[in-house]
Amino acid sequence: EAGVAQSPRYKIIEKRQSVAFWCNPISGHATLYWYQQILGQGPKLLIQFQNNGVVDDSQLPKDRFSAERLKGVDSTLKIQPAKLEDSAVYLCASSNGLAGAYNEQFFGPGTRLTVL
Amino acid sequence: AQKVTQAQTEISVVEKEDVTLDCVYETRDTTYYLFWYKQPPSGELVFLIRRNSFDEQNEISGRYSWNFQKSTSSFNFTITASQVVDSAVYFCALSEEGRGSTLGRLYFGRGTQLTVWP
Repeated sequence: EAGVAQSPRYKIIEKRQSVAFWCNPISGHATLYWYQQILGQGPKLLIQFQNNGVVDDSQLPKDRFSAERLKGVDSTLKIQPAKLEDSAVYLCASSNGLAGAYNEQFFGPGTRLTVL
Repeated sequence: AQKVTQAQTEISVVEKEDVTLDCVYETRDTTYYLFWYKQPPSGELVFLIRRNSFDEQNEISGRYSWNFQKSTSSFNFTITASQVVDSAVYFCALSEEGRGSTLGRLYFGRGTQLTVWP
């Protein structure tokens, strides 16, 4: 079974530029998560989708971040414009079935973003 | 307030030593789940274990064991006879199932960097 795929693996941009990350979850997984992991910290949830609907985006800085999962499969996360403090690893995860506290989440390798 | 606290930022041990990673959590929900994840240098988080709030039995899986104590809100992780391949960052996480909680949302601690020297 293929794992969660993410691209690109690394991205370097200058502040005020735009960037987009892509995630393809494990086949059949209904729930998809985007996390931000700043160096030295644990991952923090940005947004959670169930199929193509948003379950929780309370931690997403909506003035600059946006995410979509149009067909309920793969997802993109965009930052526009980027700030220095957005430098982090962006992790995508997916879980089987509907969103639940019980669910094991499977993580992708992440995209390391550096904003100069 | 931090829902999950991992007070140990870094731990270094020599191979074959036992090591315990501490995790303290905070929640008002009666139903919740606790997780441990391993993050090797490659960056991908690897699931290790899940416990629910009603099951306080300790669990052992090979060299790994977990001690869950609701009385102290702790879920500690012990590696017996550590190996170099155990070197990684280990995260403890909490997921809540109470009213008002976002189902599936994981709250992570800051992680403990474990280094095992040969």
